[in-house]
Amino acid sequence: TQLLEQSPQFLSIQEGENLTVYCNSSSVFSSLQWYRQEPGEGPVLLVTVVTGGEVKKLKRLTFQFGDARKDSSLHITAAQPGDTGLYLCAGGKGAQKLVFGQGTRLTINP
Amino acid sequence: GAGVSQSPSNKVTEKGKDVELRCDPISGHTALYWYRQRLGQGLEFLIYFQGNSAPDKSGLPSDRFSAERTGESVSTLTIQRTQQEDSAVYLCASSLGLAYGETQYFGPGTRLLVL
Repeated sequence: TQLLEQSPQFLSIQEGENLTVYCNSSSVFSSLQWYRQEPGEGPVLLVTVVTGGEVKKLKRLTFQFGDARKDSSLHITAAQPGDTGLYLCAGGKGAQKLVFGQGTRLTINP
Repeated sequence: GAGVSQSPSNKVTEKGKDVELRCDPISGHTALYWYRQRLGQGLEFLIYFQGNSAPDKSGLPSDRFSAERTGESVSTLTIQRTQQEDSAVYLCASSLGLAYGETQYFGPGTRLLVL
């Protein structure tokens, strides 16, 4: 059972454009994390959000946790080729067991 | 400091053979997780170890899969009588084990191909 749905699954845009990736669920999560994974490597944590409505910014990346703590979004401004990768959202339910979405594969073309 | 390491980095085996995958967590991390990632997919939880507590095995897909952890150090994931559907990247992660939602640090994974 897939509890976290990410959209889009694939996204290819030109350098300099803006984009938003969505992570949706019918379940409430205690926390929501975003990871980035590059080929041949494990995922690396970008951010954790824990409060409904919370917004966190990491340079050109803006992360938002929905008010009801069921969904989250990742917005990238002026995308760069270095942003290319697999972006995974993961929800925390219960003690330290994360549920991962299927990922969004992002390609930024120079 | 050293991160999470996994070995081997790649493993090719024949259907029906057993394989053993190893994970060395970050020193001092009491929590250790195994995940499976099929090609182009997200992460599928397999098993979780926390200190001396009984492991959470709820994600293991069949009784061919088992894992052990020696104290708060090395863990091995064993797959018996491998099937082609077992082909995937197996990722290990560790964390401090202090609170839920804390950062998990991932190893580079073991790429398993079952012919």
